[in-house]
Formats: sequence, C-alpha cells, structure tokens
Amino acid sequence: DADVTQTPRNRITKTGKRIMLECSQTKGHDRMYWYRQDPGLGLRLIYYSFDVKDINKGEISDGYSVSRQAQAKFSLSLESAIPNQTALYFCATGATGEGKNTQYFGPGTRLTVL
Amino acid sequence: AQSVTQPDIHITVSEGASLELRCNYSYGATPYLFWYVQSPGQGLQLLLKYFSGDTLVQGIKGFEAEFKRSQSSFNLRKPSVHWSDAAEYFCAVGAGGTSYGKLTFGQGTILTVHP
Repeated sequence: DADVTQTPRNRITKTGKRIMLECSQTKGHDRMYWYRQDPGLGLRLIYYSFDVKDINKGEISDGYSVSRQAQAKFSLSLESAIPNQTALYFCATGATGEGKNTQYFGPGTRLTVL
Repeated sequence: AQSVTQPDIHITVSEGASLELRCNYSYGATPYLFWYVQSPGQGLQLLLKYFSGDTLVQGIKGFEAEFKRSQSSFNLRKPSVHWSDAAEYFCAVGAGGTSYGKLTFGQGTILTVHP
C-alpha cells in the first residue's frame, strides 16, 4: 500500500463549487504539505503544517484553506473554485529531524474547474 | 530567500546516450539539495539528495549528482539513459532559518528518450 494517498485522483467541478482534496499518510511523519503543479512553473507551496496545531501559509494560499484533522490527515479546500485553480495538486510529508527537509509525495489529484 | 533554476525546459537524448540535467540555485549558505523524478501520471519520487560531505552523491536508478559550490550548481547525470527514464525531473533546494522544513522547486526539465 502507498505511504501517502490522495483522494480523489481526478475531479472535475464547476466554477463556484466548494471542493475538498484529502491526503492521508502511514509514514508516521509530523509534517505535511500541499503543492500545486502548473506546466512550466514547477511545484508551488500552498500550505504546510508541522504538527496538528500548526498551520502555515505558503507562497500561493489565496483561495485555499486547509485542515489538519490528525497527524496522518491533511485536507485542502477550495471554498469557491475558479478556472485558474485547474492544476495538479500534490500532498507531501516529512519528518522533523529526518533528512533536512526531505519530502515524500503522494500520487497527485488532477483538478479541473470549468 | 532561496531559488532554483533549471535552464533546460526540454531535453531529448537517444537511448544509451549520457545525460546531464542542469540545476542552479541561489542561497547564501550551504543548501540542502534534491532531485525528484515524475513519471507520467505519477507523483514525485526522490532520486537523490545532498546535505553535506562528499560532493558527488549517488541515487536510485543509476543517477548521480555533483554539488559545485563555486558554480552554485547541482547537476544530475546518468551515463547511459534507458527508455524508462523518460519523465520530468525537478531540482529542489531546502534551507534553514525561516525556510526550515520547506522546499523550493525549479520549473522542471522534461526528458524525452528516443529509441
């Protein structure tokens, strides 16, 4: 079984809809991250969390929110989706004290906003 | 703040040929450096990483990378490319201070392998 899972893997939604992307991990890591990938732009950090009570904005947090329900679960929400949020979204995990910022990625969620 | 540049958006090589993917970073101190690979429809897989010590690091799938402080580079190499290496490759830099725990990614290099 995969260490980092994301659901759904693909989602098509309409402008204005609320949508949640979920991430779960079995690696026992305390840190979790959400990124979006756009062609030619690499990965950009949306939000990150170093433990359940710690939530931080990344470089592109506008229009997104997150929830860390447990150490193993980190959800990303789009309150009112817009077409320029169409992208590939990745969840990642890392462990404090292990490997100096090393992160491990889930398989991604492809989101299309019409 | 740190930054990463991958100068080549797309590289095409023949199977069996050698490969070098370029990565340049900007950071005032010694960075933590990573290469990840993304195969079509897949997530990112860690190929190798550099923190300190020997500047030539070995990774999975026969890849290696060399840290050159004087050139602010961390280029990825493979002596003989296989068709299965076709993918997108990302260089990333991590740092301490206020950036601790975060990675900054380059724009990615798409590798095409011709038979």
